[in-house]
Amino acid sequence: RKEVEQDPGPFNVPEGATVAFNCTYSNSASQSFFWYRQDCRKEPKLLMSVYSSGNEDGRFTAQLNRASQYISLLIRDSKLSDSATYLCVVNYAGNMLTFGGGTRLMVKP
Amino acid sequence: DAEITQSPRHKITETGRQVTLACHQTWNHNNMFWYRQDLGHGLRLIHYSYGVHDTNKGEVSDGYSVSRSNTEDLPLTLESAASSQTSVYFCASSKDYEQYFGPGTRLTVT
Repeated sequence: RKEVEQDPGPFNVPEGATVAFNCTYSNSASQSFFWYRQDCRKEPKLLMSVYSSGNEDGRFTAQLNRASQYISLLIRDSKLSDSATYLCVVNYAGNMLTFGGGTRLMVKP
Repeated sequence: DAEITQSPRHKITETGRQVTLACHQTWNHNNMFWYRQDLGHGLRLIHYSYGVHDTNKGEVSDGYSVSRSNTEDLPLTLESAASSQTSVYFCASSKDYEQYFGPGTRLTVT
């Protein structure tokens, strides 16, 4: 079983739609959680950290459910520019991160 | 502005050659990491360092080495390049948990 699992997609949605991704992690001792965005052939970029209380940044909302060991990312009012691969990332110990395989989002006009 | 750079951005080399990929950051971060990314595998950790003269093996360290002689640089060396090492290589640095990535090096081993 992979340590961090994501549905690879692709999720094809129209502009303006709301889309949600989930990610599950296997290690209950996980300490910190993040969503990264990766555009084709580019480096991953930090989108947002995920806090236990949930957090929002503009159109993006991230939530953490420690009991069920999953993390979610909600994108409202999707834009064409949101098309990318979204990586779920978990920190277990030290300063190392484990990356999920990514979920591909394609926003269509 | 502080940044993280990698060089070269693209390289083609022959099987058996030694190759060194450079990574340089100006954030003064203690933590630096090397990953490779391949289709079907996502990002996999090769080596990491928590400070000068500290190096540690990651998930896929066989055939690779690193050295850390200063805070800014963590070069990655492929001792004898193999076709299985054809990949995109990303360097990252962090102060704590949030890692910031360089633009990547696309390496082809023929």
